[in-house]
Order: sequence, then C-alpha cells, then structure tokens
Amino acid sequence: DTAVSQTPKYLVTQMGNDKSIKCEQNLGHDTMYWYKQDSKKFLKIMFSYNNKELIINETVPNRFSPKSPDKAHLNLHINSLELGDSAVYFCASSPSRGQGTEAFFGQGTRLTVV
Amino acid sequence: SQQGEEDPQALSIQEGENATMNCSYKTSINNLQWYRQNSGRGLVHLILIRSNEREKHSGRLRVTLDTSKKSSSLLITASRAADTASYFCATGGGGSNYKLTFGKGTLLTVNP
Repeated sequence: DTAVSQTPKYLVTQMGNDKSIKCEQNLGHDTMYWYKQDSKKFLKIMFSYNNKELIINETVPNRFSPKSPDKAHLNLHINSLELGDSAVYFCASSPSRGQGTEAFFGQGTRLTVV
Repeated sequence: SQQGEEDPQALSIQEGENATMNCSYKTSINNLQWYRQNSGRGLVHLILIRSNEREKHSGRLRVTLDTSKKSSSLLITASRAADTASYFCATGGGGSNYKLTFGKGTLLTVNP
C-alpha cells in the first residue's frame, strides 16, 4: 500500500497549458507539502497545508494554486505553464508540526514543459 | 536560500568501506534529518536528530550533530552497492510554520 501517492508520474505538456497534479496520503497525517526539485536536485518547499489550511506559501508564482479538499489530499494546479516550470514535484506529508517529525514523500511527478 | 549544504557533492567508494557525508546549516534548528533518494524515486527518511542530541545510531547509520558549529555528519558503515543514492540533510525549525529546508545533497556511489 502506497503511503503517499501522486499522479501522474510523468507529465509532458506544451507551454501555456494548464495542468494538475494530484496527491493522496493514507497515513492519517495532518500536514501535507509540495516540494519542487530542480535539475540540480535542489529541493525547495512550495506550499504546506495543515488540516486543509494553507500555512506556508513560499513566494511561488500565483500560477501555482494548491487545493486541499480534505486533509488526505493536496492537489497542485498550474496555469499557463512555462519552460522554467519543468522539474520534479514531490508531495509529502507529516504527522504534526511543532517539534518536527519525519516527512513521507511520494514518488514524484516529472513535469516537462516543451 | 537553502539552509543545509552537504559536503562532498559526490563521493565514490568501494563496497565495504565507510562513507561520511557532512552538512552545514546557517540558522538555529529544532532538529536535523537525513534522507536518501534513489535515482528517479522519492525521498526516504533515514534518521532524525534533535537539537539537544549529539549522536544517534540506526543500524549502519551514525549521525552526529554539533550545534555550536552548525554541522552534522552522516556515517554509513560497511557500505553496500544498494546504498548508492543521493543523501540530503534537512533542517526543521519547529513552530507553527514547520517546514523542512533541504541541502543540495551528496551523491554517493558504492562500487561493487
């Protein structure tokens, strides 16, 4: 059973298109995240939600809009895709905030904008 | 800017040897974590060390933390080809806006 699952795993699309990536976790965690990993493998947090509430928004262009319909799901919608959006996007979840605990990551979605 | 900086960026060793990776960070932390990422896969949590701890072990892994130097090290003993992966340190600040800030990673290659 996959703990954190993302779909799709690969996404190739043209510039200007709108696309969505879905994420679901079956761990019962309260907090979910979106991270972006660039071609140099640098991981940067984009968003964090706790119990469906946005708590972190890290200077991400407003073309990126996260949505959390319930605490087990965190989707990422991207409008007007640009070449620079090409990256691997990881969803993650963790049981709590505060003192900090480990994060569980999905397998990633490799987005290629052509 | 990223919090953690791993050193070295790449490390190549023979099976059976020990691998040591270092991580330096800039601001005060609540905890420091190490993750492994196999090629084309997601990150897997290895070990968490809290700011009031100095050393922690888990199987063949040994992590140290020196908050005065703002640095941590990950030692993998008796390495195996299956340990080939990228290793990232991540710092957590705690508080209501908890997030993990990752370094750029060390690519470890273990040759059989």
